Amino acid sequence: NAGVTQTPKFQVLKTGQSMTLQCAQDMNHEYMSWYRQDPGMGLRLIHYSVGAGITDQGEVPNGYNVSRSTTEDFPLRLLSAAPSQTSVYFCASSPNLGSGSEAFFGQGTRLTVV
Amino acid sequence: GENVEQHPSTLSVQEGDSAVIKCTYSDSASNYFPWYKQELGKRPQLIIDIRSNVGEKKDQRIAVTLNKTAKHFSLHITETQPEDSAVYFCAAGDSNYQLIWGAGTKLIIKP
Repeated sequence: NAGVTQTPKFQVLKTGQSMTLQCAQDMNHEYMSWYRQDPGMGLRLIHYSVGAGITDQGEVPNGYNVSRSTTEDFPLRLLSAAPSQTSVYFCASSPNLGSGSEAFFGQGTRLTVV
Repeated sequence: GENVEQHPSTLSVQEGDSAVIKCTYSDSASNYFPWYKQELGKRPQLIIDIRSNVGEKKDQRIAVTLNKTAKHFSLHITETQPEDSAVYFCAAGDSNYQLIWGAGTKLIIKP
């Protein structure tokens, strides 16, 4: 199994551009989530999904959209990039419903907005 | 909502000594408390977790203790080794599917 795969690994955007961060898992996990990691702030939940067709907001959802059309894929869309969205983004999946089981992380996407 | 505080932000210990990292949480409904290790440039990985019906859990050199009354939990690493150098994160979760994370502790093992 490849586990959780994120693409791209690095990205530079101009302010106002949009893009999609891809996340795919091959472990048949129901729960998937997106985090951003900023220095000194740990991981903050952006959006999560408890199954195909179901998504919900986390702590910091503004400026981001998600969809879950299949169990495997959970893309994160930045609608209009801002410098405040410069961060490292991690996608994660869990075998059980969310917070009560191990989260398996992708390798991360380092995004810079200029 | 839940708030998780983690201390210290940086911890430097001599190789072979013990390290203790502490976290407090605010929501009494939280019932799952994992610890993750993140090496430089890598993804976070689970090292140990504990649920609210257990007071202590050990796995070789690492242990986690939970005090539900005081709403705090701690990570203990004994006989520290150079490969223990990393950033460690605690988190707290409940049935609302959300994990709230501490800000992280950078552990430095001095040779």
